[in-house]
Amino acid sequence: KNQVEQSPQSLIILEGKNCTLQCNYTVSPFSNLRWYKQDTGRGPVSLTIMTFSENTKSNGRYTATLDADTKQSSLHITASQLSDSASYICVVREIHASGGSYIPTFGRGTSLIVHP
Amino acid sequence: GAVVSQHPSRVICKSGTSVKIECRSLDFQATTMFWYRQFPKQSLMLMATSNEGSKATYEQGVEKDKFLINHASLTLSTLTVTSAHPEDSSFYICSASGTHSGNTIYFGEGSWLTVV
Repeated sequence: KNQVEQSPQSLIILEGKNCTLQCNYTVSPFSNLRWYKQDTGRGPVSLTIMTFSENTKSNGRYTATLDADTKQSSLHITASQLSDSASYICVVREIHASGGSYIPTFGRGTSLIVHP
Repeated sequence: GAVVSQHPSRVICKSGTSVKIECRSLDFQATTMFWYRQFPKQSLMLMATSNEGSKATYEQGVEKDKFLINHASLTLSTLTVTSAHPEDSSFYICSASGTHSGNTIYFGEGSWLTVV
């Protein structure tokens, strides 16, 4: 069964510090991996998307890496801000064998709290 | 980017009644829509996947007779919570995916359901 494991489950850091969130997956065949940020009570917003051939992708202070061989991804947040407090969800999509829908598998998310 | 609209954003209903939540893709054809629920401080939990014109596929443990999902068109899916109980109070989010842009998943803003 396809699985996406995220760590840590929760993280508290001080404003201005950097942090790294992890995502390990067993989804196969792999299509793409996306990191989402979800503010409390809001729908998730996409931060980055990475396909098999991409190793790193940045979006402002967010940098995602992907190692397709070890099936690991990380999301690095630089110079954290209070507004970074949110849940970060890793979603890995599988190529459906019969075509059509690309099935997503969700991680449980990492809850990040940034303190002043 | 593509927009997914959810309505209502907040709804309060009496125990035993039914409530319908709509999910619309505003500028693309959503061949697949996903419905999730999220309890406080927890990650998204996929409830069901629906392909336009087909019956929804429910995740294990989700009662299909209680959570009715209809995906009758390429721009609209509805989730109806029947015979609502207070324990159904939760945050419900939809997402939509189409072939227009590599099967990217776009999320709605979510709907808060409170059953009293």
